[in-house]
Amino acid sequence: DAMVIQNPRYQVTQFGKPVTLSCSQTLNHNVMYWYQQKSSQAPKLLFHYYDKDFNNEADTPDNFQSRRPNTSFCFLDIRSPGLGDAAMYLCATSRGRIEKLFFGSGTQLSVL
Amino acid sequence: QKEVEQDPGPLSVPEGAIVSLNCTYSNSAFQYFMWYRQYSRKGPELLMYTYSSGNKEDGRFTAQVDKSSKYISLFIRDSQPSDSATYLCAVVAAGGFKTIFGAGTRLFVKA
Repeated sequence: DAMVIQNPRYQVTQFGKPVTLSCSQTLNHNVMYWYQQKSSQAPKLLFHYYDKDFNNEADTPDNFQSRRPNTSFCFLDIRSPGLGDAAMYLCATSRGRIEKLFFGSGTQLSVL
Repeated sequence: QKEVEQDPGPLSVPEGAIVSLNCTYSNSAFQYFMWYRQYSRKGPELLMYTYSSGNKEDGRFTAQVDKSSKYISLFIRDSQPSDSATYLCAVVAAGGFKTIFGAGTRLFVKA
């Protein structure tokens, strides 16, 4: 089945220690997104890629970076995680700019 | 003011009940409206997608949009325990790309 896969499902890191979360898709969708979702809150868009074009949300902290080396893969790098960065990180894809989102199962990040 | 507001619940109903979930949004620039369902520790999955005022039905689910009052509803008929989840409403502006979510309403359907 075509899908969006996130690894790992659970990630524990130390305060200030860089961490990378990964996402892959077999849907061949043009757009890939990273959302941050804290407990009982709305998913919040961090950035998206339309093909190779990167679009950063204005309020996304500089601590968060992303890479999309090819159509299938996208990475979220957190350079110096703080306690406030503990959250579920959701990767999503869509075919175009106004299309439904297909989400992965998320990576739950804990910061100690 | 948040761009999308939802009552967080929780909402608890008996099996077979009709469920009504509601959402308001603040900006008339939003032109596309969606409902996603999110089970615990999973990513959201799309239930309904519409871009016009009025009703859209899919099986036991009906989405209703009233653009004049900026109000979105989801009705679930014959609710089942498997419907127990968090329901997120979402909006997209005409420019696309950015889907803005509400915080979700948590629903429990008791057998």
